[in-house]
Amino acid sequence: GQQVMQIPQYQHVQEGEDFTTYCNSSTTLSNIQWYKQRPGGHPVFLIQLVKSGEVKKQKRLTFQFGEAKKNSSLHITATQTTDVGTYFCAGRMNSGYSTLTFGKGTMLLVSP
Amino acid sequence: DADVTQTPRNRITKTGKRIMLECSQTKGHDRMYWYRQDPGLGLRLIYYSFDVKDINKGEISDGYSVSRQAQAKFSLSLESAIPNQTALYFCATSDRISLALDTQYFGPGTRLTVL
Repeated sequence: GQQVMQIPQYQHVQEGEDFTTYCNSSTTLSNIQWYKQRPGGHPVFLIQLVKSGEVKKQKRLTFQFGEAKKNSSLHITATQTTDVGTYFCAGRMNSGYSTLTFGKGTMLLVSP
Repeated sequence: DADVTQTPRNRITKTGKRIMLECSQTKGHDRMYWYRQDPGLGLRLIYYSFDVKDINKGEISDGYSVSRQAQAKFSLSLESAIPNQTALYFCATSDRISLALDTQYFGPGTRLTVL
């Protein structure tokens, strides 16, 4: 079946260090979304990437979509304690009525 | 998101009991979803509904059933709960109108424990 693999499963960094999580799909994606879930909270939408090679930035967060539309990454520059949480990628295999397939998430812990 | 509510927020039940989890939304969205979250396994889709007359099985529908009572309400039932259905359950909605950006809005979750 459709699979979206996400690595690493867990990362612990010191505040100020950078962080990257990677997402790989077994099939070409129509688009990919990223969500953040704070501890004890629910997933919250961050961004959607649609175009091959697309790069989007939100302050210290940089999102990339691969040229083949089968992989994506989220990079956080100079992490802060507010970045703590689990980051999920979610890929859509076809446009229109298909559903999202979520990766297993990367849990980020930031120590002050 | 406060526009998507789930009841109950926490529930402890026994094996074999029937359980219903309810989801309501005031966002006016057509699409509704039920996900299950287990540690290390991410979010897995149980059922989804693209409108009131549409019900579809997701990745892990066995042991679950759903009812879309109205556009704003989507219920998940466990006919005979078993311990491996212990998990955090999320309801989500999305808007059919903006297919290009089918953002999912999640409720606060229901933590279910089956003893």
